[in-house]
Amino acid sequence: DSGVTQTPKHLITATGQRVTLRCSPRSGDLSVYWYQQSLDQGLQFLIQYYNGEERAKGNILERFSAQQFPDLHSELNLSSLELGDSALYFCASSVGLTPGTDTQYFGPGTRLTVL
Amino acid sequence: GQQLNQSPQSMFIQEGEDVSMNCTSSSIFNTWLWYKQDPGEGPVLLIALYKAGELTSNGRLTAQFGITRKDSFLNISASIPSDVGIYFCAGQKTQGGSEKLVFGKGTKLTVNP
Repeated sequence: DSGVTQTPKHLITATGQRVTLRCSPRSGDLSVYWYQQSLDQGLQFLIQYYNGEERAKGNILERFSAQQFPDLHSELNLSSLELGDSALYFCASSVGLTPGTDTQYFGPGTRLTVL
Repeated sequence: GQQLNQSPQSMFIQEGEDVSMNCTSSSIFNTWLWYKQDPGEGPVLLIALYKAGELTSNGRLTAQFGITRKDSFLNISASIPSDVGIYFCAGQKTQGGSEKLVFGKGTKLTVNP
């Protein structure tokens, strides 16, 4: 158990819909990262938040957005869903203080299926 | 997106055998990480390497951070059935004030009892 929690574990929805994925980081971690894992693209970094503010963006679509709240939990919002958005979405957290030695710990993931 | 070259893609071995897998990149990384992922679960950190040339062990696992900072390998000795899973390498570097993690495509390990 990494200490990172994600809900829900599974989500099935239809094209065009909007969903929200939730992540609670490890106690004491200030940084939250979101990743998408699909069979053809592997693990892809989407976005990072540090202490409530966006820190870095990766391969995140404009239909996707995220935020980190004052209690440090984070939500990833996916809208206008397409079949190709079906994937595992992981959240990871880290202390966020020391570049180069700041290890990320992953949550169990949310499996999104878009029908 | 950018990815690391991880090989082999898959391995089928007998219990008790040693295993070796590696990752290479055209980019320099500050940190190399090795994760294991079981089906339906998130990646679990196995070993983290922070200095070029560093050799680190974690039980039966040994990993090295290449001198050029562009590669790393992971060895598993005396494999057991619970070693089955997908192993990912990841390179980490500071870019624009944040830590970016780039993953290899994974090595799927099957261990026959």
